[in-house]
Order: sequence, then structure tokens, then C-alpha cells
Amino acid sequence: DGGITQSPKYLFRKEGQNVTLSCEQNLNHDAMYWYRQDPGQGLRLIYYSQIVNDFQKGDIAEGYSVSREKKESFPLTVTSAQKNPTAFYLCASSIPGSLEAFFGQGTRLTVV
Amino acid sequence: RKEVEQDPGPFNVPEGATVAFNCTYSNSASQSFFWYRQDCRKEPKLLMSVYSSGNEDGRFTAQLNRASQYISLLIRDSKLSDSATYLCVVNRNNNDMRFGAGTRLTVKP
Repeated sequence: DGGITQSPKYLFRKEGQNVTLSCEQNLNHDAMYWYRQDPGQGLRLIYYSQIVNDFQKGDIAEGYSVSREKKESFPLTVTSAQKNPTAFYLCASSIPGSLEAFFGQGTRLTVV
Repeated sequence: RKEVEQDPGPFNVPEGATVAFNCTYSNSASQSFFWYRQDCRKEPKLLMSVYSSGNEDGRFTAQLNRASQYISLLIRDSKLSDSATYLCVVNRNNNDMRFGAGTRLTVKP
């Protein structure tokens, strides 16, 4: 079955450590996105990528980094520079043309 | 000012009621528009696209007003299962999607 897979579903890290969240899709979508959602709030764009080896900063890119070496994969690294990393992280990809987005099930990151 | 703004609610309505949500966007170059539904602690899922001519899908009707830069969603004959957060999504022409903060709906028996 085609879809977007995020792993892990829950992640705990100590303060000061970098952590990488995985996002893989087999939908052959060109565009991929990372969003952050805090309790009771909407989604805020961290980074997005329209094609392989290219990505742009969203509204809250500080403290995060991404790579897009393969079409299927768009990993997000939460660095120690991110001041408040505890959140629900959602990865999405979109269909060229229609721009409808499909989401992974998300990763809940808790930094203690 | 946020690029996409929604009334956060919550909207608490009885079963069978009609409820409407509005969403405004600030970027006049926005190309496509969507409503997504998000259940508690789950990922958002597409509810419907929004077209300039307006579109309907069963009990749901979406409208777009480009001149005033707002999008609306009307839900008729509300069901308990409609309880969720409804997210307005605006897409610029470069695959840059922006989400509203969402409107929370609770349908009560």
C-alpha cells in the first residue's frame, strides 16, 4: 500500500541532544513538508522540499535541519539549538498539480 | 498577522444542527484551498478541496470568495462523528502550504 511512514511514533530525548525524525513516502510525490503542532494549535511549517536536493525554510526553521537526498525520504533533525522541541511533528507530501497533501501519522517528541 | 486565520472555537452544537466555519487568508497569490479534518492526536486528513464555483460533498459545502479572500465550510445535519478540528489550508503556487490554527467542533447528543 502507498503512503507516508513516520517513525518512531513516540520519541524521548534528553535536553541538548540532536534527534532525527524519519519520513518516507512511496507515493512518488515530488513535494514533502515538515510541520510542528503544539497542543491546541495549528500546524506551523518548518521546512518544505519541492524536488530532490532542494528545500526551503518555512516559518519556524530555526533549530531544525533537513535533507532531501532521495525523492522518497525527507528526514528532519531537531538540533540542540531548538529551544522548545517538545511537540507533535507531522510530515506530508503532496500530489503535483492538485497539491492535495497526505500526512504521516506523526511523531510525538518529548525532550526531558 | 497570520497568513491563514480561523476562529478557534470551540463550536458546541446539537446533533442535526447546521454549522459554518470561515477562514481568511492574506496572500492574494494563493492558488488552491482545502479543508482538512483532524481528530484528536491524529494526523490531518483531506475533507474537501475548495473551488471558486463552490462545491458540495454530501452534508458538506465549501465556498471560496477570492475578492474578499475567505473560505467557508458549511456542515448540515451535524452528526456526533463530525466532532473534530477543521483546518483551513491555503497553497501558494510553489507547493508552499499554510494551515490555519483550526476550528474545533463538538457535536452533542
